[in-house]
Order: sequence, then C-alpha cells, then structure tokens
Amino acid sequence: GEDVEQSLFLSVREGDSSVINCTYTDSSSTYLYWYKQEPGAGLQLLTYIFSNMDMKQDQRLTVLLNKKDKHLSLRIADTQTGDSAIYFCAAAFSNDYKLSFGAGTTVTVRA
Amino acid sequence: DVKVTQSSRYLVKRTGEKVFLECVQDMDHENMFWYRQDPGLGLRLIYFSYDVKMKEKGDIPEGYSVSREKKERFSLILESASTNQTSMYLCASSSPGQFYGYTFGSGTRLTVV
Repeated sequence: GEDVEQSLFLSVREGDSSVINCTYTDSSSTYLYWYKQEPGAGLQLLTYIFSNMDMKQDQRLTVLLNKKDKHLSLRIADTQTGDSAIYFCAAAFSNDYKLSFGAGTTVTVRA
Repeated sequence: DVKVTQSSRYLVKRTGEKVFLECVQDMDHENMFWYRQDPGLGLRLIYFSYDVKMKEKGDIPEGYSVSREKKERFSLILESASTNQTSMYLCASSSPGQFYGYTFGSGTRLTVV
C-alpha cells in the first residue's frame, strides 16, 4: 500500500502563510487530497488534485504537486484562527477505492 | 444537508460489553469504511465494505466485526469492549471512480471503562 508522511505540528502567526508538507511513496498515485479536521469533528474535504496537475488554487488555498519528488504541499494564505485544525494528506490509485492517509499535521494559529 | 451520520457523538461503555456503532449514508455510495483515530497515529482502517453483505479487513481488524445488510448502513461491532478500544471512530463512504475521495461522518468518541 501507499505510505504517506507528514510532519506532526505547525505553529503559525495569524495573518502569515502556512505551508503543510506531505510525501508519498507510490508514483502511481492518481488523486491526492487534503482534509481538515476541526476539534471533535470528522474530516472535511478541503481540496484535491489530480496527478496530471502541478498546481491548484482555490481562494486562500494553493496545492502544489511535485511528482518527481512525490511531494505535495498545501499553502494557506492569510492564516486565521479558524484555520487551527488537523490537516490530513491522502493519496489514492485510480483503480483502488481505498485512500492512504498521513498521520495529520496539527496547525496552531497564534495571535 | 447531513450525508454520513454516525448514531452517537459520545459513548461510554464498560469492559466486556458488546458495542454497536452505527453509520448511515444517504448518497447511495457503494463503499463504506470504519477508521479509528488516535493521537499521533492518524487514521487506521479497521474494516471496509464495497457492497452489501461484503466486507474486508483493514489494517487493525482484531477485536472488531462489521455488518452491512443494507447499502446505506454499515455497523461496527466491538464483540467484547476493552479499554484499549477507547478511541475516536470515524465512518466514511465513497463511490467507485469518484474523484473527490471520501465523505466522513462526525465521529463517535468511545470511552471504555
């Protein structure tokens, strides 16, 4: 199966940009996802990117994919206190309905 | 606009009890999943189902079983609850070929005392 790795913690000042990084092992991964989990809640899909794309932007969120290095990142511009959460990276094959999740990065936004 | 519903947000059970966690989805999804989430360990797959009455073991099935009698409902069963099964349990569903991944429920925080 796919291994997905993320750093566990990130602290960022309100108004700054946050960058959350993720690496995966299998270059055949077709879809890559970022999920957000707020305290006490389930996971909510934030954004996704196909493996034939290098970048995707959605309002304050920018996803960058480096297929050569098998590296995915999520940038949150103008980070707000409401962005404090756990962020999960996930990867899937096109012919496999199972996602492989990273351990999650806990983002703390400080005033 | 609720799409994946887990029957309880918080549950406290005694060691040795049989525990049922219920999950219902209204999106006509074929695939359903049960995960447990523990600090520092991320999400670990317990069981999944890709069709009615079908089930497959995930990474940590020991001590658990599942039931899928109807397409919309996927139940996780703890045959004899133990304290090391205290955790957050997350249900998810998806459809084959669906590129936007899983839809998750809100989770059930189970405490076994």
